[in-house]
Amino acid sequence: DAKTTQPPSMDCAEGRAANLPCNHSTISGNEYVYWYRQIHSQGPQYIIHGLKNNETNEMASLIITEDRKSSTLILPHATLRDTAVYYCTLTGRSYQKVTFGTGTKLQVIP
Amino acid sequence: SAVISQKPSRDICQRGTSLTIQCQVDSQVTMMFWYRQQPGQSLTLIATANQGSEATYESGFVIDKFPISRPNLTFSTLTVSNMSPEDSSIYLCSVETGQGGEKLFFGSGTQLSVL
Repeated sequence: DAKTTQPPSMDCAEGRAANLPCNHSTISGNEYVYWYRQIHSQGPQYIIHGLKNNETNEMASLIITEDRKSSTLILPHATLRDTAVYYCTLTGRSYQKVTFGTGTKLQVIP
Repeated sequence: SAVISQKPSRDICQRGTSLTIQCQVDSQVTMMFWYRQQPGQSLTLIATANQGSEATYESGFVIDKFPISRPNLTFSTLTVSNMSPEDSSIYLCSVETGQGGEKLFFGSGTQLSVL
């Protein structure tokens, strides 16, 4: 069973920030939070990951709560090309299998 | 990073036949994973393939139906055997490079339709 829960869908106006929440209340101490997205008909693409500190890269920011039971992926200025399904996953040390939940379908609206 | 080439990109097959999907990686990787994505659904892990050992299958998936080969550190195949329409899905190959970040890289997938 997936260890994360996400809202099934969200809309965001183009140019605005998209905030995608993820609940992972049973996360263990050595598990990282990873985010991927899947644009229609393509393989999933890595976005960002973190352990307990907030992280930022060229694609997005990741905010993890202090108790690590939830996180938020932030796309600061959503574009139409960000329309995709976004998956939040938990991963421990290297070479562990990754289970995907149902994800959030983000629709960016012009 | 890792670049993954997956073939075929799509196929239409007849019931009862088998299809072998190939996954080629541009670098040596320890772990390769095969996922299935049924229409409108999330990704479901089929099996984990390590070089030189038998693949490890997830609950609900068996070797007779989904035999996997992993002859070296850059290549793997997944065969979908004795296909039925219920096998119509996207099949995805994935690797973890294990180079300080445990992120997964995915191939572009094989869209399989079984008539």
